[in-house]
Amino acid sequence: DQQVKQNSPSLSVQEGRISILNCDYTNSMFDYFLWYKKYPAEGPTFLISISSIKDKNEDGRFTVFLNKSAKHLSLHIVPSQPGDSAVYFCAASTFLTGKLIFGQGTTLQVKP
Amino acid sequence: GAGVSQTPSNKVTEKGKYVELRCDPISGHTALYWYRQSLGQGPEFLIYFQGTGAADDSGLPNDRFFAVRPEGSVSTLKIQRTERGDSAVYLCASSLMSGTSGKDTQYFGPGTRLTVL
Repeated sequence: DQQVKQNSPSLSVQEGRISILNCDYTNSMFDYFLWYKKYPAEGPTFLISISSIKDKNEDGRFTVFLNKSAKHLSLHIVPSQPGDSAVYFCAASTFLTGKLIFGQGTTLQVKP
Repeated sequence: GAGVSQTPSNKVTEKGKYVELRCDPISGHTALYWYRQSLGQGPEFLIYFQGTGAADDSGLPNDRFFAVRPEGSVSTLKIQRTERGDSAVYLCASSLMSGTSGKDTQYFGPGTRLTVL
């Protein structure tokens, strides 16, 4: 039972354009959502997070949007840069536990 | 400061053998997590420690897997009678606070790639 889903295994965008990565979840008890970025042979690196009481959180070029009614979140990267090329994981957790439930990941390629 | 470190970076073993994987968390972090990542998948939760005690071990797949954190710092993940299906990257993460709220950022190590032949 995949509680967090990233349905797009890969995404390719041109440098300078917007990258939009999507994530869906099924567990309505999730109250905190995160995005991690992963380069080959490295561990995931925290990127940005959002609490369920908000619908948007912005940090520089990165913005996360949360639509609770649709159980959907998205990560926007504007403008995209070649160094953003990596695997992006969406993750979720509940108030009572520290464990993260991850999606399958989306590989982003930003072309110069 | 130093991040989360994991040793060894790679481990190749034969089916049926015993292995130990080590994690050194960020100094001062009270919570420590183990995850397992199979090819093409996201990390999958195994166990989490708050201090020395296992607060949630619901992700351990069976009793061949065991983890300890005797002094509340370094943790060791132990796998007995390894099977080919145990092959994966084992990731360790730590966070400053208890992690029970899910709001405490988890910092990951580079992982140990385990291959069971």
